Amino acid sequence: NAGVTQTPKFRVLKTGQSMTLLCAQDMNHEYMYWYRQDPGMGLRLIHYSVGEGTTAKGEVPDGYNVSRLKKQNFLLGLESAAPSQTSVYFCASKTGGNEKLFFGSGTQLSVL
Amino acid sequence: DAKTTQPTSMDCAEGRAANLPCNHSTISGNEYVYWYRQIHSQGPQYIIHGLKNNETNEMASLIITEDRKSSTLILPHATLRDTAVYYCIVMVSNQFYFGTGTSLTVIP
Repeated sequence: NAGVTQTPKFRVLKTGQSMTLLCAQDMNHEYMYWYRQDPGMGLRLIHYSVGEGTTAKGEVPDGYNVSRLKKQNFLLGLESAAPSQTSVYFCASKTGGNEKLFFGSGTQLSVL
Repeated sequence: DAKTTQPTSMDCAEGRAANLPCNHSTISGNEYVYWYRQIHSQGPQYIIHGLKNNETNEMASLIITEDRKSSTLILPHATLRDTAVYYCIVMVSNQFYFGTGTSLTVIP
């Protein structure tokens, strides 16, 4: 099993450009999450999904959209990137109940 | 929502036990406490979690007070590779909210 895979690992955008980050998990997990982490800070929850076809807002959802069309994939979109969205983005997934989160290795995004 | 409070930083001598405290005074009866750690900018790594009983695994022990308002993560024999940021998290409605964590430095 690959676990949780994030694509791409690095990306540089210009202000106003759009992009999509892909998170894929092969563990048949119901729950998936997107976090961002700014330098020296903890992870902040952007959006999450409790199952295929569902999404919900976390702590810092503004400027992002998400989709969960397939159970194994959770996409994070930036429609018009801003320098404030420069961050490291982490995806995570888990099965139901009180089980642990599994994290991807992160995507470093820079918006110039 | 239950929130957690942790010291910003701690040091521990190599080979000694590292005891990392966490306060979660607003935790509800069915909310679990989780501990993760993050080394450099890698994805957070799961350590342990529990509800009210003490838990132990190959990495660490988790001691939760009887009133569940605080807990302590114990790394029994800290090594240099345990230098990391440690996060104490309470899961609320399947949402995990990370604070700023405790930066643990293991000193040779």
